Formats: sequence, C-alpha cells, structure tokens
Amino acid sequence: KQEVTQIPAALSVPEGENLVLNCSFTDSAIYNLQWFRQDPGKGLTSLLLIQSSQREQTSGRLNASLDKSSGRSTLYIAASQPGDSATYLCAVRNSGGSNYKLTFGKGTLLTVNP
Amino acid sequence: DAGVTQSPTHLIKTRGQQVTLRCSPKSGHDTVSWYQQALGQGPQFIFQYYEEEERQRGNFPDRFSGHQFPNYSSELNVNALLLGDSALYLCASSLVPGTGELFFGEGSRLTVL
Repeated sequence: KQEVTQIPAALSVPEGENLVLNCSFTDSAIYNLQWFRQDPGKGLTSLLLIQSSQREQTSGRLNASLDKSSGRSTLYIAASQPGDSATYLCAVRNSGGSNYKLTFGKGTLLTVNP
Repeated sequence: DAGVTQSPTHLIKTRGQQVTLRCSPKSGHDTVSWYQQALGQGPQFIFQYYEEEERQRGNFPDRFSGHQFPNYSSELNVNALLLGDSALYLCASSLVPGTGELFFGEGSRLTVL
C-alpha cells in the first residue's frame, strides 16, 4: 500500500528566502508525481507534474525533483513571497494497468512573512 | 477555457439524509475522479469515472455512489449521511490518454449535523 509523507508539516520563513519542501513515498513503482497548492478552504491548484522517467520539472520560481529509486521528491521555491503562503500537497500515482488514483500526503503548511 | 466546476459550494445536511454533488470537467477532459478531504488531511480517493462507468474505487462504503453523463459531467451521491461524512468533496478531471495530470475544482463543503 502506497504511503506518502510530507516533512515538515508546517514551515514559516521570512520573505525572500529560498526553501525546500520534502515528500517521500514508500512504493517506488510510480507512474507520476504531482505537486499541488491549496489555499484555505479552496480546491487544489496543480503546480508541477513529473513523469516517472523524468528527474525534474521547472515552472517559474518552482522546481520539483524526483528520485524514484529512493522514494523522494522535493519542491524548491526560490525567492519566496507572502503570496506563496498556502498548503503544498504531494501526490503519487502508482504504475500498473488499472491504477488511476492519486495517493496524497497530508501537506506542508507554508507561511511567508513580509 | 473553463476549468473544473463544482456545485453547490457549501451545504448543510442532517444525519440520515442524502446528498448529491455535481461536477463539470475541464473542457476537453473525459475522466472524472472524486476525492474526500477531511480537515487537516490530504484528499482520499473515492472513485473515478470514464466512459460513464466506474473505473476504479477507493476504500469507501456503498453509501457513496456516482454517475457520469454522456457530456462527461458527473455526480457524487452519498446516502444515509453520518457526522463523519463532513468534509470537502473535490472533483478532478483528466484526459485519457494523456500525461495523467489532474485538475481540481474548488470543492463542495459538506457539513453534516
């Protein structure tokens, strides 16, 4: 059974700092990994999708890496801004012909202080 | 380009009642998945619909049922509501075949009293 863990559960940083969020998963047989952002009481916004054959993906100030063999992914946020404050969720989809679901971690609550 | 839309945004029910939540997928998407997110937790997979059939189901009781219509929109029905069903219900759409990237709606907040 796939389990996803995100560390830390909460993080508070001053504006302008670079930061790393961590995600680990127990079963390395994954099809892809997706990072999401969730504002309080809102839905999920897709940030980055990494296929199992890829090592990293970049979008603006965000960079996500994937080390499938060790069961780890990191989300790097450069030059953080107060608007980056949100919960960041990591989710994996296992490989296998009939597996379509995402397994989520509990998220990291990020607060960027002005 | 319309994203995933869900209705209603908020609703309050009492124990034992039934509820129907609705979802329209992102334009061009043909697959709809439903997730339940309890407070402080990550979303949990309920089921996925493709070609009007349930393609995969998570660990949820039969009180949770769904439907997909020919226009790819979907409904989630929950019968005999329990207090523990209070949660944010999220709909996500994707495209088959595709990269598998999921796009989520804003969710329906269900409170059971």
